[in-house]
Amino acid sequence: EAEVAQSPRYKITEKSQAVAFWCDPISGHATLYWYRQILGQGPELLVQFQDESVVDDSQLPKDRFSAERLKGVDSTLKIQPAELGDSAMYLCASSSGTVHGYTFGSGTRLTVV
Amino acid sequence: DAKTTQPPSMDCAEGRAANLPCNHSTISGNEYVYWYRQIHSQGPQYIIHGLKNNETNEMASLIITEDRKSSTLILPHATLRDTAVYYCIVRLLLVGSEKLVFGKGMKLTVNP
Repeated sequence: EAEVAQSPRYKITEKSQAVAFWCDPISGHATLYWYRQILGQGPELLVQFQDESVVDDSQLPKDRFSAERLKGVDSTLKIQPAELGDSAMYLCASSSGTVHGYTFGSGTRLTVV
Repeated sequence: DAKTTQPPSMDCAEGRAANLPCNHSTISGNEYVYWYRQIHSQGPQYIIHGLKNNETNEMASLIITEDRKSSTLILPHATLRDTAVYYCIVRLLLVGSEKLVFGKGMKLTVNP
């Protein structure tokens, strides 16, 4: 069964440092999402790509967060500088646009110390 | 904003049916009801979805009331591996509107 790949699985970084997460969606999925999930909460959408274009980044803290999907395939989410409040699970999902086609990766657990 | 209301938690005995309720009183006619679950430290997993009719698959059954203002996810024979947070989500199926908006979900604990 096809999967959404994310790396790293865990990341510990010091505050004020830069950190990056990578996501490889299911082949052929045009839509890619990055979500942030704080402990005890549901996932919150940060950014949505359609191919290489951003279609929704209204919840992305743009002063420190950036996301790109240069060739419309894999994607990178970056935080610079990291803050203590950024500690969370960062989830990537991709969608084919069909009824069932929304698949999540296993996420990257970020701890900022 | 999430358009659904779920109780924060529920317990169920192993082997018994688990009935997970969800209220979505403001659902519009073209919005689907989706259920996902998230096992600890994993990404959310699709379970089932429906529009008007009741639905069943290998994982669960979905019962939607006639007025569509509420639904129930049924796990017919709960196992310990069904312990997870369950999310009920309403969603449009239009190109460009596929994003899922999650609430806090409901923690289901299946007890031996």
